[in-house]
Amino acid sequence: SQQGEEDPQALSIQEGENATMNCSYKTSINNLQWYRQNSGRGLVHLILIRSNEREKHSGRLRVTLDTSKKSSSLLITASRAADTASYFCATDAIRGSTLGRLYFGRGTQLTVWP
Amino acid sequence: EAGVAQSPRYKIIEKRQSVAFWCNPISGHATLYWYQQILGQGPKLLIQFQNNGVVDDSQLPKDRFSAERLKGVDSTLKIQPAKLEDSAVYLCASSPGDTDTQYFGPGTRLTVL
Repeated sequence: SQQGEEDPQALSIQEGENATMNCSYKTSINNLQWYRQNSGRGLVHLILIRSNEREKHSGRLRVTLDTSKKSSSLLITASRAADTASYFCATDAIRGSTLGRLYFGRGTQLTVWP
Repeated sequence: EAGVAQSPRYKIIEKRQSVAFWCNPISGHATLYWYQQILGQGPKLLIQFQNNGVVDDSQLPKDRFSAERLKGVDSTLKIQPAKLEDSAVYLCASSPGDTDTQYFGPGTRLTVL
């Protein structure tokens, strides 16, 4: 499988704490994306990091990518109750796959308590 | 800018019945995707269109699922006949090209009884 796999499956923290989610994948990629999904809703794109980038920031989000370890992490700083959602990493694949096709993991369910 | 629209939002049918879902992508987006998301899992690509041509339908169960994209804009996904295991959320997404960020619609939650 070329899917990314998130870790942990579930994460529960208090407001104000930082949340870190990890993603591992199996094949060489062009880019890796992180999406958020609120309960009963569609996915919302958070951030895209390309294979030649090591770190990227967007507001309270920080994403790192280590292509040698085939892993990425998403850090949400100063979490809020509104950050409660499922977070998915999605990878494309350089070879053996249709251009643009994304492979999603099972996601990490983040719960932020007020 | 209007987002990806999908209808209906919810559908309940009995097994062996037929069902159709509709998607209107963001204006100007060439690529359209249909995903199936089973409870507790990530989305799985069913079919990918580039304009009105099929680019990837390798994961589409073609004996019961069909999809079309009329004039490279709107798309419909049909299931005929439905099985219990088809219960899932069906997500439509679009992107300007084939390597860009994908924008998702709210999804259609299908329950097959």
